[in-house]
Amino acid sequence: DGGITQSPKYLFRKEGQNVTLSCEQNLNHDAMYWYRQDPGQGLRLIYYSQIVNDFQKGDIAEGYSVSREKKESFPLTVTSAQKNPTAFYLCASFPQDAYGGYTFGSGTRLTVV
Amino acid sequence: AQSVTQLDSHVSVSEGTPVLLRCNYSSSYSPSLFWYVQHPNKGLQLLLKYTSAATLVKGINGFEAEFKKSETSFHLTKPSAHMSDAAEYFCVVSDGYGGATNKLIFGTGTLLAVQP
Repeated sequence: DGGITQSPKYLFRKEGQNVTLSCEQNLNHDAMYWYRQDPGQGLRLIYYSQIVNDFQKGDIAEGYSVSREKKESFPLTVTSAQKNPTAFYLCASFPQDAYGGYTFGSGTRLTVV
Repeated sequence: AQSVTQLDSHVSVSEGTPVLLRCNYSSSYSPSLFWYVQHPNKGLQLLLKYTSAATLVKGINGFEAEFKKSETSFHLTKPSAHMSDAAEYFCVVSDGYGGATNKLIFGTGTLLAVQP
């Protein structure tokens, strides 16, 4: 089945550590996105990429970094510069030539301990 | 700029009764609008979308929504709630046609509880 796989499902980070969240899709979609979800705030866009080797900052990119070396993969690194990283992180993808809804992964819950 | 407001943070209904989740939007031109559903600790699933075709949009699992330009609303309805409908629902507006280059703006969500 085609879809988006996010791993791990749960992740614990110590203060000052960088962690990387994985997002892999086998839908052959061109565009990929990272969102952060906090209770009562909906989803906020961190980074997005419309093509391999290119990505753009979203609304809350500070303290995060991404790469897009392969069409299938769009990993997100939460750096120590992100002051409040505890959240639910969702990856999504979208075909370049379509209009409509995104396909979302099942998310990674990151907790700082 | 586009924005979306979900008027209720929590809605509780009894199984078998109608569901109404309210959403108002603000857009400087004809928007693309979506409803997504999220079950606990899961990703979001597209329920339905409006992209300037028919104003009454039918989605999955018996849900539908009506685009009312005069009221700037896109309320989600279902005639009869099922226990499996209990989830969080997000109203979303796109800043364009809903293509890959357009940004999605999410509402803050409505948590639907279904009582037996």
